[in-house]
Amino acid sequence: GQQVMQIPQYQHVQEGEDFTTYCNSSTTLSNIQWYKQRPGGHPVFLIQLVKSGEVKKQKRLTFQFGEAKKNSSLHITATQTTDVGTYFCAGNGGTSYGKLTFGQGTILTVHP
Amino acid sequence: DTAVSQTPKYLVTQMGNDKSIKCEQNLGHDTMYWYKQDSKKFLKIMFSYNNKELIINETVPNRFSPKSPDKAHLNLHINSLELGDSAVYFCASSRGGGYYEQYFGPGTRLTVT
Repeated sequence: GQQVMQIPQYQHVQEGEDFTTYCNSSTTLSNIQWYKQRPGGHPVFLIQLVKSGEVKKQKRLTFQFGEAKKNSSLHITATQTTDVGTYFCAGNGGTSYGKLTFGQGTILTVHP
Repeated sequence: DTAVSQTPKYLVTQMGNDKSIKCEQNLGHDTMYWYKQDSKKFLKIMFSYNNKELIINETVPNRFSPKSPDKAHLNLHINSLELGDSAVYFCASSRGGGYYEQYFGPGTRLTVT
């Protein structure tokens, strides 16, 4: 079945440093979504990418979808303590009813 | 108004017991899901219902049985609880399949002793 691998599993940064998490799918995706889960909280939708090579920005966050639609990345510029949490990618393989397969998540810690 | 709600928030029980978790969404969505999140934060889909019809049924032990009385509710009943069932269970809803964002409930932390 479809697999979505996400790296790194953990990332510790100093406040102000940049952060990137990468997502790779074993199959071509129809679309990919990104979610953030704060400690003790629930996943919250951040963004969806659909087109090959698509790049979207949300303030300090930049999301990319690969040309082959098999990989994606999330880059945070100048991290802040409010960025702490687990970031998940979730890929839709395009099957009927479009099941999302979540990556393992990257747990981000930001040291002040 | 809470979009997706779950009860209870915490559930501590002994091995062998049967328990249920309830989920309700007031977003008017057609699709609802159950996810299990283990201690390493891995989120795994268990079930999905679309308009009360089961559409995704992952490899989950038969002890887990979802029930959707109407499209706003999706409950999860677990029989003969085992230690390995300890996890956080999230309910989620969306307008449809994988092209729509999912709204997650606050989660139910299940601890089996």
